[in-house]
Parts: sequence; C-alpha cells; structure tokens
Amino acid sequence: GEDVEQSLFLSVREGDSSVINCTYTDSSSTYLYWYKQEPGAGLQLLTYIFSNMDMKQDQRLTVLLNKKDKHLSLRIADTQTGDSAIYFCAEFTGGGNKLTFGTGTQLKVEL
Amino acid sequence: DVKVTQSSRYLVKRTGEKVFLECVQDMDHENMFWYRQDPGLGLRLIYFSYDVKMKEKGDIPEGYSVSREKKERFSLILESASTNQTSMYLCASNRQGIYEQFFGPGTRLTVL
Repeated sequence: GEDVEQSLFLSVREGDSSVINCTYTDSSSTYLYWYKQEPGAGLQLLTYIFSNMDMKQDQRLTVLLNKKDKHLSLRIADTQTGDSAIYFCAEFTGGGNKLTFGTGTQLKVEL
Repeated sequence: DVKVTQSSRYLVKRTGEKVFLECVQDMDHENMFWYRQDPGLGLRLIYFSYDVKMKEKGDIPEGYSVSREKKERFSLILESASTNQTSMYLCASNRQGIYEQFFGPGTRLTVL
C-alpha cells in the first residue's frame, strides 16, 4: 500500500539551511512533489522531481531523491521567516491521477 | 492563473445537519478532488471525480457523498454532520495527464 511519512516539526534559525525529509513505500512512484501551505491558505506546488532523477535544484530549493531507500528531501538554503509554513511531500503512482500526501512538516523559522 | 474557490472559509454546523461544501475551478480541469486535513494526519482523500457525473471513492469516503453536475463545480455533502467531521476541507483540481494539483484556500468546518 501507499504510505508517506514526514517528521511533524522542524525549527531553524533565519539564514540557516532547512532540510525536510520524507519517506515513501510505493516503489512504483513516478513523480514526487513538495507542496507548501502557508497559514490559512491552501497548498501551493513548490517543486517536483521525476523518479528517474536524483536531484533537482530550483533557486534556493534542492530536492534529493534516493530511490533505493525511498527517501525524498527538500533543502531550503538561506531560510527566511517567509518560509515558515507546513511542507507536504506527495507521491504520484499513476493510478487514477491520485496523489498520496505525507503528514506534513511544520517549519518554524526563528530570528 | 488557475483559480480554485471554495464557498466558505469558515463554517459552523450542528450535529445531524446536512452540510454542503462547494468548490469551483475556472480552468476547465477534468479532475477534481476533496481532501480533509487534520493535524498529524496530513491530507486524506475523500472523493474525486474524473468528469461530470463521475465519482470515485478515496481513502475515507464514509459519511460523505459528492456531486458533480457541471465540469467546473464539485460539491462535498455531509448527509448528517458529526463532531468527528470537524476538520479543514480542501478542494483541488487538475487537467487530465498533468499531475500538479491546484488547491483552493480550504473550508474550516466545525461541527458542534
């Protein structure tokens, strides 16, 4: 079955790097996503990675994918207070256009 | 820009009431989804729809039904609201074959 897990909380200081981790169980995942949810808002797609890639970089964001360990991470460089949000990883396995979301990681950025 | 709107941001209902949550998207997307979001549980899929008048059960459909009479509108119905349905409800849509889902702002429902 599909199961996506994340740690619930992460606290970092402004200017440091944040690393948010995600593990999934379905080895047939084709796409993996990171969504951001700011307080009181819906989810917004941050970035995604195809399963045949190991890494993707987009400005301050770096996504690493370890297919062998079924581990996905999101690194945010130079973390700012505006990065405080809940971050969800999600996997798409090709069945019915459905995404399976993780539990979400609440990132708190302290001054 | 894709816009997904939900009929209410906050809603308070009483146990046993029938509750309608409405979602509208303006980008002619084929697929629409209803999720509920609870702390520590992430997003769980309730129902989704591939096309008008079509619906599929998600992971937690019990206590809910849906209606899709028009392509742009997807309604979530709680036939008899219960306190364990107090939650944040999120609607999403996407185009067939494009895997990014676009989300509405959410409806925070409280059932007393």
